[in-house]
Amino acid sequence: GAGVSQTPSNKVTEKGKYVELRCDPISGHTALYWYRQSLGQGPEFLIYFQGTGAADDSGLPNDRFFAVRPEGSVSTLKIQRTERGDSAVYLCASSLMGLADNEQFFGPGTRLTVL
Amino acid sequence: AQTVTQSQPEMSVQEAETVTLSCTYDTSENNYYLFWYKQPPSRQMILVIRQEAYKQQNATENRFSVNFQKAAKSFSLKISDSQLGDTAMYFCAFMKLPRGSQGNLIFGKGTKLSVKP
Repeated sequence: GAGVSQTPSNKVTEKGKYVELRCDPISGHTALYWYRQSLGQGPEFLIYFQGTGAADDSGLPNDRFFAVRPEGSVSTLKIQRTERGDSAVYLCASSLMGLADNEQFFGPGTRLTVL
Repeated sequence: AQTVTQSQPEMSVQEAETVTLSCTYDTSENNYYLFWYKQPPSRQMILVIRQEAYKQQNATENRFSVNFQKAAKSFSLKISDSQLGDTAMYFCAFMKLPRGSQGNLIFGKGTKLSVKP
């Protein structure tokens, strides 16, 4: 079956602009995670959804970052007033029910470049 | 807070030989999972192997095995019979289990492994 998909693959924007990054999880997966991977670093947790609700948003760096998952499937990460420091690869992962033994499957990421 | 440390930024190995990647972590939790993920240039993170902290037996997956030392908080990955396709970034990751359910992953900075022909 299809894996986790993310669009766009690459996004270039100018400082101060608004961007949206989309994640399509594996069908039927209720748990969805967003991570951010800066150059030369491991991924860092941003936010976790269980169904439609954000169960843990403790990793969001500031209030310019916001994510939604209105129907419990597709999720959108929204970044307002982008800054050069937001440049990174944004990874999405999903798991079946968010249970301890459920594997997190990752998408290929969106590379965001803020000029 | 939990931290994961990978002290080897880069490693190389000859094809068919064995290589070990190091990882240490810091936590006050007693129940948690540890992982090794592979990230090839395509950027997609792929699970290599998982270890539950409550299990004393080291996990193995074909050519991949771990040496889990809970008291020392060490979790190394051994790759046997290295193949060219093993060339990638390898990330060690920790996951605590809030109320027994899945938590978010905490990653190290990664080790870049190059397998040479």
